[in-house]
Amino acid sequence: AQTVTQSQPEMSVQEAETVTLSCTYDTSESDYYLFWYKQPPSRQMILVIRQEAYKQQNATENRFSVNFQKAAKSFSLKISDSQLGDAAMYFCAYRVTGNQFYFGTGTSLTVIP
Amino acid sequence: DVKVTQSSRYLVKRTGEKVFLECVQDMDHENMFWYRQDPGLGLRLIYFSYDVKMKEKGDIPEGYSVSREKKERFSLILESASTNQTSMYLCASRGTPRGPEAFFGQGTRLTVV
Repeated sequence: AQTVTQSQPEMSVQEAETVTLSCTYDTSESDYYLFWYKQPPSRQMILVIRQEAYKQQNATENRFSVNFQKAAKSFSLKISDSQLGDAAMYFCAYRVTGNQFYFGTGTSLTVIP
Repeated sequence: DVKVTQSSRYLVKRTGEKVFLECVQDMDHENMFWYRQDPGLGLRLIYFSYDVKMKEKGDIPEGYSVSREKKERFSLILESASTNQTSMYLCASRGTPRGPEAFFGQGTRLTVV
């Protein structure tokens, strides 16, 4: 079964500091995609970053970067220089080359001024 | 800019009513999805569609049906609404050439009383 596990229901970080959100997944596939989505209180889910499993290099988008450990099936998100606007629910997701996405249960991130 | 639009942000319906949730995308995506989001459970797939008139059951299809008569529109139908269907409903779409990620609507908060 395809599963995605986010073991941190809630996290907090001081403004301007760095925080890492954890995600592990379970799959027997070798070709797949991994994503981090952000859902602010306004509720629209937006993509933060994505990683193709065949790429060894970790993806980076400005202050957001991932640590992709394929053998360990781990995909953590690091947010550097945290800002108040980063406060949101973050979901880790996984998709094989078919269509279906699998989502974790989410991590609620609070940014403390 | 890409857009997935859900017809309502908030709905209140009575038990036993037939409820229609509408979703429209303007990206010519082949794939569309309906998810249910509940606290602590993340996003669970209800149904998805990979083409007009084509549909596949997700993880929790009981009590729901879907319709996709046109490529841009995907409707979720609650045949006889029950209180345990009170939830947040998210529509998403995905397809080439936009990439492997899904794009989400703003969500519909449905309350069944």
